[in-house]
Amino acid sequence: QVQLQESGPGLVKPSETLSLTCTVSGGSISSTNYNWGWIRQPPGKGLEWIGSVHYSGTTYYNPSLKTRVNILADTSKTQFSLKLSSVTAADTAVYYCARQAIVGLSGRHFDYWGQGALVTVSS
Amino acid sequence: SYELTQPPSVSVSPGQTASITCSGDKLGDKYASWYQQKPGQPPVLVIYEDNKRPSGIPGRFSGSNSGNTATLTISGTQGMDEAEYYCQAWDRSTVVFGGGTKLTVL
Repeated sequence: QVQLQESGPGLVKPSETLSLTCTVSGGSISSTNYNWGWIRQPPGKGLEWIGSVHYSGTTYYNPSLKTRVNILADTSKTQFSLKLSSVTAADTAVYYCARQAIVGLSGRHFDYWGQGALVTVSS
Repeated sequence: SYELTQPPSVSVSPGQTASITCSGDKLGDKYASWYQQKPGQPPVLVIYEDNKRPSGIPGRFSGSNSGNTATLTISGTQGMDEAEYYCQAWDRSTVVFGGGTKLTVL
């Protein structure tokens, strides 16, 4: 059973960089069949995809966040990470990491999710 | 950018059938997935590739996708099905989520 766990600071100051790590257990992230993604949810709002990474290093980003986001995969540690720069209060959210199954050219769904980590942006 | 539109809320009586729609341009040409989210919990995948159920998801959950609309159907709705539901698709190398539908079981 694959399990994912987010970790990182729960409080980040405005203009600084938000950094989170997702540790995967029960499986390897070095599979051609999966991407590994980050999704966030502001309090009381819907889901917003941030981006995904394949173990090969290929990344996919939400165009609206692309200039501020960097997602990396560390296969040696079965972890992947998120860095979001120049944060503001609008980046306050629960951040989820998830495994994204790859199905042909158009199938991409998230089948396993972490419990989520609340990150608050405040001075 | 691609958009998916869901009704903000749907109400259903216990034991009845609930249908939640998700609309997007030529959505039927893509795979649609559906997630259930209860308060304070992460989303749970309930339908993928339009109509497939992950292991452990009850058979009362089903899905379809044609034209511009994907539909999540819950037959014999139970109180435990009360939750927020999100559709999701993959378009031009980006993940798109619908805005979510609050299902109320009255």
